[in-house]
Amino acid sequence: QVQLQESGPGLVKPSETLSLICSVSGGSIRNYFWSWIRQPPGKALEWIGHMSTTGDSRYNPSFESRVTLSADTSKNQLSLGLRSVTAADTARYYCARQEGDVFDIWGQGTDVTVSS
Amino acid sequence: DTQMTQSPTSLSASVGDRVIISCRASQDITSAVAWYQQKPGKAPKLLVYAASRLESGVPSRFSGSGFGTDFTLSISTLQPEDFATYFCQQYHGAPPYTFGQGTKLEI
Repeated sequence: QVQLQESGPGLVKPSETLSLICSVSGGSIRNYFWSWIRQPPGKALEWIGHMSTTGDSRYNPSFESRVTLSADTSKNQLSLGLRSVTAADTARYYCARQEGDVFDIWGQGTDVTVSS
Repeated sequence: DTQMTQSPTSLSASVGDRVIISCRASQDITSAVAWYQQKPGKAPKLLVYAASRLESGVPSRFSGSGFGTDFTLSISTLQPEDFATYFCQQYHGAPPYTFGQGTKLEI
């Protein structure tokens, strides 16, 4: 079955760029939209944005100015880049596959702390 | 953006109980609601979509209902494995998608 695994540095300095990878196994990343979602401590989930391997992408306006999503079909991986991070970007970050507008498969998430 | 207000934030129950979790949307979202279950350290799991459609493989003790602004997730006979956090998601006219704050279901 399809499995997702997020990875990346657990600690990022303020003003730097947060970079995460979502590795997909058990299926191709083609033909789906893939989302990034985060959950700050004690807060609700926040949808960051999604993309497909055809290049279609949409972003939450709250993140649009500083987020980049990309895909590497040769590695079956998705990537998230979030620039100019602050402490408010401390969260657990998830990648998730979309079936229509719902998220049918999620990764376990990776914790990111923004601190100097 | 459509806001989702979920209640209660926590709920204590016992095995065998019936529980109901609610989500209220800040505007009419027809039936564009999904429900997820999350256990500590695990990936969230899709339970219900389109307000009342059960995802394949989800036990029939789970059910969803509602239309417009008010939605519920019901668990008819709690099993030990059901103690988890549940959250709703709206996708009407989305993106952006928005989520409820979550309900922690405890023994």
